[in-house]
Amino acid sequence: DAGITQSPRHKVTETGTPVTLRCHQTENHRYMYWYRQDPGHGLRLIHYSYGVKDTDKGEVSDGYSVSRSKTEDFLLTLESATSSQTSVYFCATTGVGAANYGYTFGSGTRLTVV
Amino acid sequence: SQQGEEDPQALSIQEGENATMNCSYKTSINNLQWYRQNSGRGLVHLILIRSNEREKHSGRLRVTLDTSKKSSSLLITASRAADTASYFCATDGTGTASKLTFGTGTRLQVTL
Repeated sequence: DAGITQSPRHKVTETGTPVTLRCHQTENHRYMYWYRQDPGHGLRLIHYSYGVKDTDKGEVSDGYSVSRSKTEDFLLTLESATSSQTSVYFCATTGVGAANYGYTFGSGTRLTVV
Repeated sequence: SQQGEEDPQALSIQEGENATMNCSYKTSINNLQWYRQNSGRGLVHLILIRSNEREKHSGRLRVTLDTSKKSSSLLITASRAADTASYFCATDGTGTASKLTFGTGTRLQVTL
C-alpha cells in the first residue's frame, strides 16, 4: 500500500451526520477511485476522478460526493450517513489508466454508521 | 451489477496442491486483471492480461483468457499457506475510461 494513505482507518458515526474520508497519494497518479466493499457484493465503484476537479459517478454514487482540488488528495463525503453506508471503503489509484497497469489500493477505511 | 463472477466462491486445498479459480464476465473488455486481498488489507494487483492475449504467466501464477466465452482462469501452482487470501477478477471494459469492475471473489484457504 506504499504511496496511498487513507484516513481515518476506522470510524463510527451516527445516522444523519456528515462524514468525510480522505485518500492521499504520493504517486502523482492521474486517476483516483473510491470503492466500497460489502459481503456478497465484492467491490463497487462509488466515484472516480480523472484529474484535478474532474470527477464522475460510479455504480453506487447516491448519497456520496467527492472532491479533488489537488492531484494527491481525493475526498469522499457522505452527506448524511445512513446504516446502509456501513462498509469498508477503499481508495485506488492508477497512473496511465487501468488499460496498461493495475490499480494501487489503500488499506481501507472501516466505517460503521449506528 | 457485477461484471465479473468468480467460481468457486470458496476453495480449500492443502499446501503443495494447485488452485484454480474461474471468472466470467458479461461485456467486451480491454483487459482483465486479478487481485489478491489478504484479510483486513487492501487489494494487491497480481497480473493483467489484454483482450488479444490468451495466456500469461507470472511466477507461480498462470492466467488464461477466452474472450469468445467471456471467461478467465487463474491457476496458482504449488500453493503455500501464504497464498491464503481472497482473489478477485476485474475487467476494464471498452470505452469505460479506465474504470475497473470487480467480481465477488474466491476465498482460498491453503492448509498445511
